[in-house]
Amino acid sequence: GNSVTQMEGPVTLSEEAFLTINCTYTATGYPSLFWYVQYPGEGLQLLLKATKADDKGSNKGFEATYRKETTSFHLEKGSVQVSDSAVYFCALVNYNFNKFYFGSGTKLNVKP
Amino acid sequence: EAGVVQSPRYKIIEKKQPVAFWCNPISGHNTLYWYRQNLGQGPELLIRYENEEAVDDSQLPKDRFSAERLKGVDSTLKIQPAELGDSAVYLCASSLAIPQGENGYTFGSGTRLTVV
Repeated sequence: GNSVTQMEGPVTLSEEAFLTINCTYTATGYPSLFWYVQYPGEGLQLLLKATKADDKGSNKGFEATYRKETTSFHLEKGSVQVSDSAVYFCALVNYNFNKFYFGSGTKLNVKP
Repeated sequence: EAGVVQSPRYKIIEKKQPVAFWCNPISGHNTLYWYRQNLGQGPELLIRYENEEAVDDSQLPKDRFSAERLKGVDSTLKIQPAELGDSAVYLCASSLAIPQGENGYTFGSGTRLTVV
């Protein structure tokens, strides 16, 4: 089957700290992988994506590399800001089913 | 370009009452999705439309939930009667026929339903 597992939150960091949010997946076939971000009271916004093994998605200082050998897609940022406080969702889409599978989300709190 | 528009943003109803949510997708997106997001969890698919046809409604609780997408554009999701466990955020999303587009899905801001 298809599933996504994320590290549990909340993750609390000080401003300018290094961020890693772990994400691993199980999928049949060759999925594409995504990170979405949800700010308080808002819908989900696409943060970055990778469509094949070894691709690196990046946006707004965030990066994630599609690792097929470890079935992982960990999100990283070198220096977080207070404005990065949000819930982050890892997701995969398996085109055999034309359906997204989301992790349970990881809440990030960044303190000044 | 306007994004996916949902209304209302918030709804509080008593149990056993009906409720409806409305979604207007991005122009040209022929695929529309309704997701439910329970507190502290990721979204889960309820139903997917390709144009006006519901092609995946396997997760929709059909005893109380219904949806329609007339003319393949706007969509309405209804719950009748609502139960306490239906309290959640209901998200609408749209995409081109193949979601492996540049932007994957585009989500609306959601409707937060509270059943009391």
